[in-house]
Amino acid sequence: SQQGEEDPQALSIQEGENATMNCSYKTSINNLQWYRQNSGRGLVHLILIRSNEREKHSGRLRVTLDTSKKSSSLLITASRAADTASYFCATAHLTGNQFYFGTGTSLTVIP
Amino acid sequence: NAGVTQTPKFQVLKTGQSMTLQCAQDMNHNSMYWYRQDPGMGLRLIYYSASEGTTDKGEVPNGYNVSRLNKREFSLRLESAAPSQTSVYFCASSEVASGVGTQYFGPGTRLLVL
Repeated sequence: SQQGEEDPQALSIQEGENATMNCSYKTSINNLQWYRQNSGRGLVHLILIRSNEREKHSGRLRVTLDTSKKSSSLLITASRAADTASYFCATAHLTGNQFYFGTGTSLTVIP
Repeated sequence: NAGVTQTPKFQVLKTGQSMTLQCAQDMNHNSMYWYRQDPGMGLRLIYYSASEGTTDKGEVPNGYNVSRLNKREFSLRLESAAPSQTSVYFCASSEVASGVGTQYFGPGTRLLVL
């Protein structure tokens, strides 16, 4: 399987704390994207980082990419109860038209 | 705009029955995808259509067929359902093939095969 893996599988924090989740993948990529999934819903795109970028910000989200280690991290700052969801990384490889999704991190933010 | 819509929302089948999952998008996207999501496995690609008139196998195509009916619609067919196909199925679309495009997801179809 070419699926990536997220770490940790589950994360529980207090409102206002920062949440960090990591993604590791196996082959060279074109870009990496992070998606969010609320319980019982479809996935929603959060942010895309290209292989030649090292860091990207969007509101309270910060994504880093280390292509030498084949890993990425997603930081959510000042978390809110509404951030409770599962977060998935998805990699687009250099060849082909497919995305490969990771196994997800389940984030719970306690009010 | 409705975005990506899927029907049905929930279905129960008996082993050996057939069914078609429907997906439509109103964003004029070129590419469409079918995924299945199982606990602890993330999303796995079943089939995709990079553009109207083309379809290709993904990571887990066995037991499924697809039809890109037109630019808007992409259906997934289970010819003879098996309990291993119990899953949540998501359709997605993107403006361009997924190498560079953001994917937009439907709400999912929950399928239970007894």
